[in-house]
Amino acid sequence: GAGVSQSPSNKVTEKGKDVELRCDPISGHTALYWYRQSLGQGLEFLIYFQGNSAPDKSGLPSDRFSAERTGGSVSTLTIQRTQQEDSAVYLCASSFSRGRFGEKLFFGSGTQLSVL
Amino acid sequence: GQQLNQSPQSMFIQEGEDVSMNCTSSSIFNTWLWYKQDPGEGPVLLIALYKAGELTSNGRLTAQFGITRKDSFLNISASIPSDVGIYFCAGLIWETRGSRLTFGEGTQLTVNP
Repeated sequence: GAGVSQSPSNKVTEKGKDVELRCDPISGHTALYWYRQSLGQGLEFLIYFQGNSAPDKSGLPSDRFSAERTGGSVSTLTIQRTQQEDSAVYLCASSFSRGRFGEKLFFGSGTQLSVL
Repeated sequence: GQQLNQSPQSMFIQEGEDVSMNCTSSSIFNTWLWYKQDPGEGPVLLIALYKAGELTSNGRLTAQFGITRKDSFLNISASIPSDVGIYFCAGLIWETRGSRLTFGEGTQLTVNP
């Protein structure tokens, strides 16, 4: 498809396990973002990738969270030793750039993570 | 960092009514955006505003970029059931190292047929 694709759409895991969430951005988009949305809450910025530049990790809540973007395309968000408070919808978005018109973010449908 | 105060948090209206929601901030933004999120989906961009005082329409939606650059509102006229969802404002500020997009907490809209 032409949109941002995220997988899995749902993930149930046990406390303490590691999880990996995947994002396939729109082809040609150089900027990629991860956001977290807790139930009934707004969008919490996690991390941002732009081309080959060092990622902006300022939103990651703890060192259990990490992300990488291989080849400037697919990104993986990894949560180690998951905790119940990590339960949320994790949204990925991409855009052409982060500049003047980089605000036109296109979001995926998200991964619903449930930590039991 | 920048914070956006979005209100109301939720609205319950009858089909056909007009809706108004707004966002305010203590910070100045260069761009204001409004997104809509349907259940189980990611947010979709509705309107983008680039200049202070700008008034932009998209069908039944109208949004304005406040003169002070610290606020924006979104109006929906003659609401219909498919308007149901969460509406997010977002402010963009250009920084030396790029730009940062900050989202409001969202307004949950329910439309009763």
